Amino acid sequence: EAGVVQSPRYKIIEKKQPVAFWCNPISGHNTLYWYRQNLGQGPELLIRYENEEAVDDSQLPKDRFSAERLKGVDSTLKIQPAELGDSAVYLCASSLPLGNYEQYFGPGTRLTVT
Amino acid sequence: DAKTTQPPSMDCAEGRAANLPCNHSTISGNEYVYWYRQIHSQGPQYIIHGLKNNETNEMASLIITEDRKSSTLILPHATLRDTAVYYCIFSNTGFQKLVFGTGTRLLVSP
Repeated sequence: EAGVVQSPRYKIIEKKQPVAFWCNPISGHNTLYWYRQNLGQGPELLIRYENEEAVDDSQLPKDRFSAERLKGVDSTLKIQPAELGDSAVYLCASSLPLGNYEQYFGPGTRLTVT
Repeated sequence: DAKTTQPPSMDCAEGRAANLPCNHSTISGNEYVYWYRQIHSQGPQYIIHGLKNNETNEMASLIITEDRKSSTLILPHATLRDTAVYYCIFSNTGFQKLVFGTGTRLLVSP
């Protein structure tokens, strides 16, 4: 079974430029998460989707961050414009809505803003 | 946010048991304890979870104290591949809202 797929794995951009990250969850997983992980810290939830609906986006900085999951499968997280402080690893995870208590994480996208 | 306390780092010799402690003194009765680990340059990986009883799976054992204020994750025979950051989490809103702390960095040495 394929795991959570993320692309790109690495991205370097200049500040004020836009950037987008893509995630394809495990097949059949209705719930999708985006996390941000700063260096030396644990992951921090940005947004959680149940199918197409964003059910928890309280930690998403909405002035510059946006996310979508149009058909309830893959998802895109966008930053526009990027700031130096956005340099981090962006992780996507997915899970079944109930039952096995486990979130499955992708390898992440390492973003460097210069 | 639900808070746990873990030592920032621990060392373990290969082949020995690694016992990783976690304090979660503010946990309430219906909150589970979850353990994840993160190997360098990878996303976190689920290890185990528990409510009251001790739990064991193919990866580890979880020992929860009777008052539920602390727990210990046990890797019975640590290998070099167990070198990772281990996160102890408890959630008052279910497994879908996990608040990660800074975890314990476990170094397994030959």
